[in-house]
Amino acid sequence: NAGVTQTPKFQVLKTGQSMTLQCAQDMNHNSMYWYRQDPGMGLRLIYYSASEGTTDKGEVPNGYNVSRLNKREFSLRLESAAPSQTSVYFCASSVAGTTDTQYFGPGTRLTVL
Amino acid sequence: LAKTTQPISMDSYEGQEVNITCSHNNIATNDYITWYQQFPSQGPRFIIQGYKTKVTNEVASLFIPADRKSSTLSLPRVSLSDTAVYYCLVGATSGGGADGLTFGKGTHLIIQP
Repeated sequence: NAGVTQTPKFQVLKTGQSMTLQCAQDMNHNSMYWYRQDPGMGLRLIYYSASEGTTDKGEVPNGYNVSRLNKREFSLRLESAAPSQTSVYFCASSVAGTTDTQYFGPGTRLTVL
Repeated sequence: LAKTTQPISMDSYEGQEVNITCSHNNIATNDYITWYQQFPSQGPRFIIQGYKTKVTNEVASLFIPADRKSSTLSLPRVSLSDTAVYYCLVGATSGGGADGLTFGKGTHLIIQP
């Protein structure tokens, strides 16, 4: 099992460019999450998907969109990147809900110039 | 939201027991308390989870008082490899959303020889 995989590992964008961060899990989990991590801020939830076809906003959803393509994949899209979105992005999954253990991917380091 | 407060950093020595406390005054009835460990350039990894009283596994213990407004992660006989950031997570889904899912800012634990 690969667990949770994320692509790309690193990305540099210019302000206004768009991109999609990909996340996939092979553990047959129902719930998936996107977090961002900034220095001194800990992890903040961007979006959450309880199951295929459902998504909910987290603490910091502005500037992002998500798609739960199927049970395995949960993508995060930046339509018009801004320097404030420079961060490390983590995807996670859990069996059924947020009280279950979350398994995290290795992260994507994004820099917006 | 069940906000959490942890010490920003702690120091200890190899072989000592380390206790890290997390404050969560607004914890809700349905909330669980989960601790994660994160090494540099990696995603967080689950350590332990509890709802009340005491929970113990092969790597840590979690103490939760009756009022559940705080919790203490206890790491017995730490080693240099326990140097990491430790996060306290309090939350549960509510009506299908994750607006109560809140990570603390983390405690940077440094273990010295």
